Amino acid sequence: GAVVSQHPSRVICKSGTSVKIECRSLDFQATTMFWYRQFPKKSLMLMATSNEGSKATYEQGVEKDKFLINHASLTLSTLTVTSAHPEDSSFYICSARGRDPSGGLDEQFFGPGTRLTVL
Amino acid sequence: AQTVTQSQPEMSVQEAETVTLSCTYDTSESNYYLFWYKQPPSRQMILVIRQEAYKQQNATENRFSVNFQKAAKSFSLKISDSQLGDTAMYFCAFNLYNNNDMRFGAGTRLTVKP
Repeated sequence: GAVVSQHPSRVICKSGTSVKIECRSLDFQATTMFWYRQFPKKSLMLMATSNEGSKATYEQGVEKDKFLINHASLTLSTLTVTSAHPEDSSFYICSARGRDPSGGLDEQFFGPGTRLTVL
Repeated sequence: AQTVTQSQPEMSVQEAETVTLSCTYDTSESNYYLFWYKQPPSRQMILVIRQEAYKQQNATENRFSVNFQKAAKSFSLKISDSQLGDTAMYFCAFNLYNNNDMRFGAGTRLTVKP
């Protein structure tokens, strides 16, 4: 099946620094990529949707200057948390929409997530 | 706006028994997809089963099956012969056809007891 990777899987940073998280579709081209945030024991909250080569669309209440998204190619999207603060600590999950290379349906495939801890 | 409701925050089942997780949704559209995702302790989201709204036949994947009631806007997941590895959070999700906006329910934490 289709594989989506995220790097790093875990990051700890100091307050005020910026952190970049990468999301890659390894064996398919993603028409669209998504970034979610998940608090402990809670559901996934969509932060933004991005298409290759265009600006991301942010959900209401998500600060676009705080969470910078770059979708440089059909296989790579990055999320940069700028000037991170402890309240930004969370689990961030990306997903990529595309067609399973084994001939399956067009669907969303999820990355394994990145745990961000801001001290 | 589309909403997804899972009214069971937690459920438990004995190994080898059957359990049903509930999900209801609200939409005025007629073309959409419904999903059940599993999130084990590793936090990796795994697609369990998918249902196209235009299909009347309920989707089945091995021990997992759904009861899709379009008029009632209900989409429950039945897990048969529960296994310890089924212990996880289960999320019901909704996606309009040709729309990128996937909405998730709050989740149900399922524990399979030996």
